[in-house]
Amino acid sequence: KQEVTQIPAALSVPEGENLVLNCSFTDSAIYNLQWFRQDPGKGLTSLLLIQSSQREQTSGRLNASLDKSSGRSTLYIAASQPGDSATYLCAVAEGYSTLTFGKGTMLLVSP
Amino acid sequence: KAGVTQTPRYLIKTRGQQVTLSCSPISGHRSVSWYQQTPGQGLQFLFEYFSETQRNKGNFPGRFSGRQFSNSRSEMNVSTLELGDSALYLCASSRVLSGGARDTQYFGPGTRLTVL
Repeated sequence: KQEVTQIPAALSVPEGENLVLNCSFTDSAIYNLQWFRQDPGKGLTSLLLIQSSQREQTSGRLNASLDKSSGRSTLYIAASQPGDSATYLCAVAEGYSTLTFGKGTMLLVSP
Repeated sequence: KAGVTQTPRYLIKTRGQQVTLSCSPISGHRSVSWYQQTPGQGLQFLFEYFSETQRNKGNFPGRFSGRQFSNSRSEMNVSTLELGDSALYLCASSRVLSGGARDTQYFGPGTRLTVL
């Protein structure tokens, strides 16, 4: 059974810092990996999707990497801003449509 | 392009009742998945529908069921509600690519269900 772990569970940084969120998964037979953000009481917003054949994806200040063989992904956020404060979730797709989520990293960026 | 919409946004029910939640996917998206989010268990996959057929199912009891209509809109039903069913229920839609793979999943705002 696939298990997804996210470290740290919570992170507090001052504005402007670069930071890395970690995600690990136990079964490397995945179709893709997605990073989402969730604001309190809201749905999920897709940030980046990395196909199993890719090593990284970039969008603006976000960069996600994938090392399928070691079962790891990182989300790098450059020059963090208070608006980045949210819970970040990592999810792996095993079947065509089944996403298995980690518990998330709660990020607080203070001005 | 309109996003995924879910109705209602909030529901309060009592134990033993049943509830139906609705999800309208993004136009052109034919796959609809449902997830349950609780503080203790996090986000868990319930089931996925494509072409009006359930394609995948998570590890939930038979009290949880769903269906999809010809316009890709989906409903999920929970019968005989229990206190532990209190959760945020999220719906996600995606395109179906050639070969059957699903594209990025886009999530709706969720329905907050409280069971008293």
